[in-house]
Amino acid sequence: AQSVAQPEDQVNVAEGNPLTVKCTYSVSGNPYLFWYVQYPNRGLQFLLKYITGDNLVKGSYGFEAEFNKSQTSFHLKKPSALVSDSALYFCAVRDSHGSGNTGKLIFGQGTTLQVKP
Amino acid sequence: DGGITQSPKYLFRKEGQNVTLSCEQNLNHDAMYWYRQDPGQGLRLIYYSQIVNDFQKGDIAEGYSVSREKKESFPLTVTSAQKNPTAFYLCASSLLGAGELDTQYFGPGTRLTVL
Repeated sequence: AQSVAQPEDQVNVAEGNPLTVKCTYSVSGNPYLFWYVQYPNRGLQFLLKYITGDNLVKGSYGFEAEFNKSQTSFHLKKPSALVSDSALYFCAVRDSHGSGNTGKLIFGQGTTLQVKP
Repeated sequence: DGGITQSPKYLFRKEGQNVTLSCEQNLNHDAMYWYRQDPGQGLRLIYYSQIVNDFQKGDIAEGYSVSREKKESFPLTVTSAQKNPTAFYLCASSLLGAGELDTQYFGPGTRLTVL
């Protein structure tokens, strides 16, 4: 079965320090992986995705993610955190179970990022 | 939140009532999705539709119904059979096709509270 795990409920980092939000996945076949961010009482905003190609994916707001096939991970990173990065982050994998492309996403439970001044 | 609108932003329902949440998109996307978000549980798929007049159940469809009469609209009805409907409901849409195209984009959400 397809699944996504975000092992940390919360990540705390000081402003200006690098940040990492972890994500591991379990899929059959090639994974299509996504990161979204959610601010309080708002919808999800797309940050970046990995489909194929370069293992380092660059996205919005200075975020990037590294796809590691051997470790089945897709960790979100940013070299220098901002207080405004504080939000809830979701990792997701596209469900490839069965035939055809349904476009369904399977989400992790989310990680709250707290950046302190 | 782009070209996806959801209304209302807040909705209060009495027990035993059916309520309908609106989702409209002007992105010309083929597929539309409804998710439910509860604290600490991530997003769970309720229903999705890839084409007009067709839709499929997601992981937690019981107590919900949908329709897809127009490409741009995908309303969700929360029926009285849904035992615990208080949650944040998110609508999304995407193109369908190769992986480069099918990123899901989300609306701003509707917070439903049962009184």
